Amino acid sequence: QSALTQPASVSGSPGQSITISCTGTSSDVGGYNYVSWYQQPPGKAPKLMIYDVSNRPSGVSNRFSGSKSVNTASLTISGLQAEDEADYYCSSYTSSSTYVVFGGGTKLTVL
Amino acid sequence: EVQLVESGGGVVQPGGSLRLSCAASGLTFSSYWMHWVRQAPGKGLVWVSRINSDGSSTSYADSVKGRFSISRDNAKNTLYLQMNSLRAEDTAVYYCARGELRRPFDYWGQGTLVTVSS
Repeated sequence: QSALTQPASVSGSPGQSITISCTGTSSDVGGYNYVSWYQQPPGKAPKLMIYDVSNRPSGVSNRFSGSKSVNTASLTISGLQAEDEADYYCSSYTSSSTYVVFGGGTKLTVL
Repeated sequence: EVQLVESGGGVVQPGGSLRLSCAASGLTFSSYWMHWVRQAPGKGLVWVSRINSDGSSTSYADSVKGRFSISRDNAKNTLYLQMNSLRAEDTAVYYCARGELRRPFDYWGQGTLVTVSS
C-alpha cells in the first residue's frame, strides 16, 4: 500500500480537462510545499512535470498545472492530447525516515 | 545534456548479491545528491536510498536497511548500489535519479532490471 493515495485510473477525451488527486497526511503533503508530479509512459523512465506543488520545469507544457489544499494535491491537465496518455505519480517530501513518498500511480487514458 | 545510465542488473538467486552502477554525464556530478528509486513489475515507484554530494551522509528505506549500501565515486562520476541478501520482493527496475534535499527528482536514468528468482 502506497503512502499517498491516487485514483487507479482516469480518462478523458481529446481537448477535455482532467484532474488527478493525491491524498496524504500532515506529515507529508499537508506539511510541506514539496509535492511533485511525474509522467511515466509505458516502458519509459519517469519525467518531472510539476514540482513544489505548482511549478513547471522548463519545457513542460502549460497545459499541466498543480495545486494543493490541506492534505490533498492535484494535477490538472487541460486540452488533453493523445500524447498525454501515461501513468502519473505524485510524490512528497516526508518528515518520516522514508525521506520521500510516492502515490500508487494513476493511469490516464485518452479516449 | 544530462545523462544517467544504469547498469549491473540481472537475474540473481534469493540470498545473493548484486551491485548496480549509474554513470553520470553532462552535470557536475560531485555537486549533487543522488538517489535510487525502484519499481516492481506493474507497480508504483518506491524510494530506496539517497546519498549526499560528498558521500558522507546516506539514508535508506526501511525495507532495504541493513541489506543495501549506496556509495559514489565522484572521480568516476558514478553512483553505486550494493544489494546483499536479496529477496524475491526486491525484483524491480532500479532507477538512479538526481535530487537535492527536499528537491524533486529532475533527471532519471532509463533503469536496470533486477530479478530475484531461483
